[in-house]
Amino acid sequence: EIVLTQSPTTMAASPGEKVTITCHASSSVSYMHWYQQKPGASPKPWIYATSTLASGVPDRFSGSGSGTSYSLTINNVEAEDAATYYCQQWNYPYTFGAGTKLELK
Amino acid sequence: EVQLVESGGGLVQPGRSLKLSCAASGFTFSNYGMAWVRQTPTKGLEWVASISTGGGNTYYRDSVKGRFTISRDNAKNTQYLQMDSLRSEDTATYYCARLRYGGYRDYYFDYWGQGVMVTVSS
Repeated sequence: EIVLTQSPTTMAASPGEKVTITCHASSSVSYMHWYQQKPGASPKPWIYATSTLASGVPDRFSGSGSGTSYSLTINNVEAEDAATYYCQQWNYPYTFGAGTKLELK
Repeated sequence: EVQLVESGGGLVQPGRSLKLSCAASGFTFSNYGMAWVRQTPTKGLEWVASISTGGGNTYYRDSVKGRFTISRDNAKNTQYLQMDSLRSEDTATYYCARLRYGGYRDYYFDYWGQGVMVTVSS
């Protein structure tokens, strides 16, 4: 099973800052997908195929990476970006990272 | 508008059974693979099972193999998760999710239902 390790587990950022969340895979994967989840809501696809933004996702978000190392970056973070972000890979058995909780100061 | 609506959750004793349903609308159901994903505060998000468009191919995580059965009825635009021999560790919110092609032989979950709670306890 491929284990996805996200860091940091939690973080706090001020509006306007640049934020980077990383996801390390225990074995190489072809793509990484990212989800955003807010309290009481279902996860939403946020970035798929490593770097493609899902519909409606602001372009201050970006994704990159390859092999075992992937990241989600937010330029000029805004209050509405406060949420938990999860990475996910599609090699059986399909796994998720434990999540990164982003709080806004 | 794509909608996935789960039902069938509840409180059940260990060893008993429960069947979840997911009613889909807003898209051609038979064209998409489907899945169940569960979430707990301690284990986070876990993929549970997936099913191909026609239902002929099914996949399970090891911890539910032989106990859970995923199925679908394309005429009713509905997928199911039959859960037998339930254990306390199956307690979770269960989400119905649609699979979308995300790269060469790679998929992701592009639509999620609102989730349904399953509690396994005596």
